[in-house]
Amino acid sequence: GQQVMQIPQYQHVQEGEDFTTYCNSSTTLSNIQWYKQRPGGHPVFLIQLVKSGEVKKQKRLTFQFGEAKKNSSLHITATQTTDVGTYFCAGANMKTSYDKVIFGPGTSLSVIP
Amino acid sequence: NAGVTQTPKFQVLKTGQSMTLQCAQDMNHNSMYWYRQDPGMGLRLIYYSASEGTTDKGEVPNGYNVSRLNKREFSLRLESAAPSQTSVYFCASSAARIFEQFFGPGTRLTVL
Repeated sequence: GQQVMQIPQYQHVQEGEDFTTYCNSSTTLSNIQWYKQRPGGHPVFLIQLVKSGEVKKQKRLTFQFGEAKKNSSLHITATQTTDVGTYFCAGANMKTSYDKVIFGPGTSLSVIP
Repeated sequence: NAGVTQTPKFQVLKTGQSMTLQCAQDMNHNSMYWYRQDPGMGLRLIYYSASEGTTDKGEVPNGYNVSRLNKREFSLRLESAAPSQTSVYFCASSAARIFEQFFGPGTRLTVL
């Protein structure tokens, strides 16, 4: 079945450094979503990418969807302590599993002030 | 708008006990989901409901049952709790199956 992987599992950065997390799917995706979960909280939707090669920006966050629609990345420029949390990607393949969105295991980001 | 609400927030059960986790949303969403979250494993889909009156199994349905009571409410039942079901349970809803999901605050369940 479809699998979604993320690397790294954990990342510790100094405040002000950049951060990138990568998401890879075993199958071609119809779309990919990114969520952020603060410690002790619940996942909160950040963005959805649909088109091959799509790039979207939200302030210091840049999201990319690969040309083959099998991978994605989230890049944070100049991290701040407010960026602490776990970042999940979630993908769906409408051709094989229309109903299900599969979440990756997440990347936990720690920011050292 | 309360969004997605879940009750209870915390629960401790003994092995073999049963309980129902309640979830409600006030966004008029068609789709609702139950996930469990365990350390290092992300969110795993237990059951989902694409519309009122329909439910389908997700990745890890064994040991659970669900009821889509109406468009607003989607409950998760553990008939005979086991220690392996110790987890954080999240309910979510979305306007359609592969669109943005809104999550509830979660239920932290411990089975002794």
